[in-house]
Amino acid sequence: DIVMTQSPDSLAVSLGERATINCKSGQSVLYSSDNKNYLAWYQQKPGQPPKLLISWASTRESGVPDRFSGSGSGTDFTLTITSLQAEDVAVYYCQQYYNTPRTFGQGTKVEIK
Amino acid sequence: QVQLVESGGGVVQPGRSLRLSCAASGFTFSSTAMHWVRQAPGKGLEWVAAISYHGRDQYYADSVKGRFSISRDNSKYTVSLQMNSLRAEDTAVYHCVKEGVVVNDFWGQGTLVTVSS
Repeated sequence: DIVMTQSPDSLAVSLGERATINCKSGQSVLYSSDNKNYLAWYQQKPGQPPKLLISWASTRESGVPDRFSGSGSGTDFTLTITSLQAEDVAVYYCQQYYNTPRTFGQGTKVEIK
Repeated sequence: QVQLVESGGGVVQPGRSLRLSCAASGFTFSSTAMHWVRQAPGKGLEWVAAISYHGRDQYYADSVKGRFSISRDNSKYTVSLQMNSLRAEDTAVYHCVKEGVVVNDFWGQGTLVTVSS
C-alpha cells in the first residue's frame, strides 16, 4: 500500500494569509505512460462529505476558487490557499489514485488564527 | 445534477451482517466505476471497496477482504455493500463515491454503521 503522510496535522492562519499543506507519498504516484500525477486534494467541512478540489495534483475542479492551488510531482505535493477565507475552515485530505487501495493522508485541519 | 443517496445503516451487533445501498442519479451510472469509503467517528478517510462499471471486477481493502462484498445493478442505478462478520472497528460513516476520470469526484452524504453489543 502507498502510505500518504500530510503535514502539519493542523494549522491556524489569519484571514487573508497563506495556508500551505504538504503531502508526501511513500512511492511515486507519477504514471510514466501519461506523465500524470495520480494525486487528489479534498476539502471536508463539518457534517459534510469530502469535496474534490484538485485532481492530477494541480487541476482545479470547476467552481473551486482560484485561491486554491496544487503543485508537486512524484512523491511530494502541496496544497496552497493563497488568501484564507472564513469558509475555508475545514479538514483537507490528499489521496493517491495511482493504485488500489486508494490511500488517504491523515488530514490537515485548517483553522482561523 | 449528480446525486448519491446511501441507505441501510444502523446499529448492529458484532458478528452480524448489514447491507448498504446507494441510489445514483444524474450521470451515466452504467459507465462509471463506484467506490465505498468510510470514516470512523472523528477519524480520517479509509477506502473500502470498488467495483468496475460492468461489475465484473471488485477490489477490497485488506481490512474488509473476505467479509465485505460490493455489487451493482446497472438497471436500477444502485451499488451495494454487503457487510458480514461485522466488528466494532467497522463502525463508521460509509460514503458511496463516484469515479470520474479515474479520480473519485463526487461523494454521497453517507450512512452511519454502528457495531455494538
